[in-house]
Amino acid sequence: GNSVTQMEGPVTLSEEAFLTINCTYTATGYPSLFWYVQYPGEGLQLLLKATKADDKGSNKGFEATYRKETTSFHLEKGSVQVSDSAVYFCAPNPYSSASKIIFGSGTRLSIRP
Amino acid sequence: DADVTQTPRNRITKTGKRIMLECSQTKGHDRMYWYRQDPGLGLRLIYYSFDVKDINKGEISDGYSVSRQAQAKFSLSLESAIPNQTALYFCATSEGPNSNQPQHFGDGTRLSIL
Repeated sequence: GNSVTQMEGPVTLSEEAFLTINCTYTATGYPSLFWYVQYPGEGLQLLLKATKADDKGSNKGFEATYRKETTSFHLEKGSVQVSDSAVYFCAPNPYSSASKIIFGSGTRLSIRP
Repeated sequence: DADVTQTPRNRITKTGKRIMLECSQTKGHDRMYWYRQDPGLGLRLIYYSFDVKDINKGEISDGYSVSRQAQAKFSLSLESAIPNQTALYFCATSEGPNSNQPQHFGDGTRLSIL
């Protein structure tokens, strides 16, 4: 069936460190791929997306590339800030509608000043 | 950004009580969703609706019901609350019907059942 696996947290880094949060998925067909971010006390919000192979989504210094051959969509940022502390969710949508996005279990990221 | 508004934001209640969580949106989207979030489990879909006359069960609908009163309003009810329904609940909307369209979330309702 369709599923997603993302890096378990919590992940703790120092400010300006390089970040990678791994995400792999199992899905039929050509899913659209999303990363959502949840800041404390808030709902999830879209961080970036990619809809076809080799597409790169980017926003706020974060990037992720749609790798169909490895079924992966790893999130990266070259220099993290304290304000990036949040929970990050990888979410592939393998269906023809937006009805059943599959959410990963979330990775909590904490950045030390 | 208050495009998707959930009320109440917090609720504490007792086992056996009937509870309604409300969601309203100003985005003009047809599709609305209810999720629950538990630590370490991500989000799980409870119910979703593609328009006012459409209601669909998600993966964990037992013990819950919903009502789509209007395009902008989608409420979730717990008929007889039990402690394992203690969780963070989110309402979301999407423009639909394409898989490349993201969902837009409210800020959540934290529900505690004693």
